[in-house]
Amino acid sequence: GQNIDQPTEMTATEGAIVQINCTYQTSGFNGLFWYQQHAGEAPTFLSYNVLDGLEEKGRFSSFLSRSKGYSYLLLKELQMKDSASYLCAVRDSNYQLIWGAGTKLIIKP
Amino acid sequence: SAVISQKPSRDICQRGTSLTIQCQVDSQVTMMFWYRQQPGQSLTLIATANQGSEATYESGFVIDKFPISRPNLTFSTLTVSNMSPEDSSIYLCSVEGFEQFFGPGTRLTVL
Repeated sequence: GQNIDQPTEMTATEGAIVQINCTYQTSGFNGLFWYQQHAGEAPTFLSYNVLDGLEEKGRFSSFLSRSKGYSYLLLKELQMKDSASYLCAVRDSNYQLIWGAGTKLIIKP
Repeated sequence: SAVISQKPSRDICQRGTSLTIQCQVDSQVTMMFWYRQQPGQSLTLIATANQGSEATYESGFVIDKFPISRPNLTFSTLTVSNMSPEDSSIYLCSVEGFEQFFGPGTRLTVL
């Protein structure tokens, strides 16, 4: 079967750095996405990785290792507004999106 | 990018009734997707709606329970039929560009 694993919940302090990990086992790979979802809102796109390495976009970076079936989302200089769920999703060989259960990130002052 | 609107944004319904959710996209798209997100859970794909053909349902979802219409390239509806409290969820309409774009969701509570 196909599955994506993420920690259920993480807590971090305002101004700090946090890394949210995602491991996946899918039938084929055509890219990995990270989405942010605030409570009661729809998910919004954060990043996309299809090649190994680090993609940086402002305070957020995403890393991919295809050989290890592993990705992480790195959030720097955390702000209270970063409190949200972060969803990892992989596009498989059929171009279908497989979603992780999401990581709820709690930011404390 | 795509701008997606959904109606209603939320509803409280009685057991045994049905609710139709509308999804409107600001551009023509081939495929539209309907997702369910139960409280505290991630997204589960219900079905893919293509214009001019029957929707394709994922395992665990059937047309009798979740009939879908796709009359044109910018509009789709999802009906949740014969509702029970287990259907209480957020229902999201989505389209695919480079990434997946989501509508604001419909929060359904079934009493």
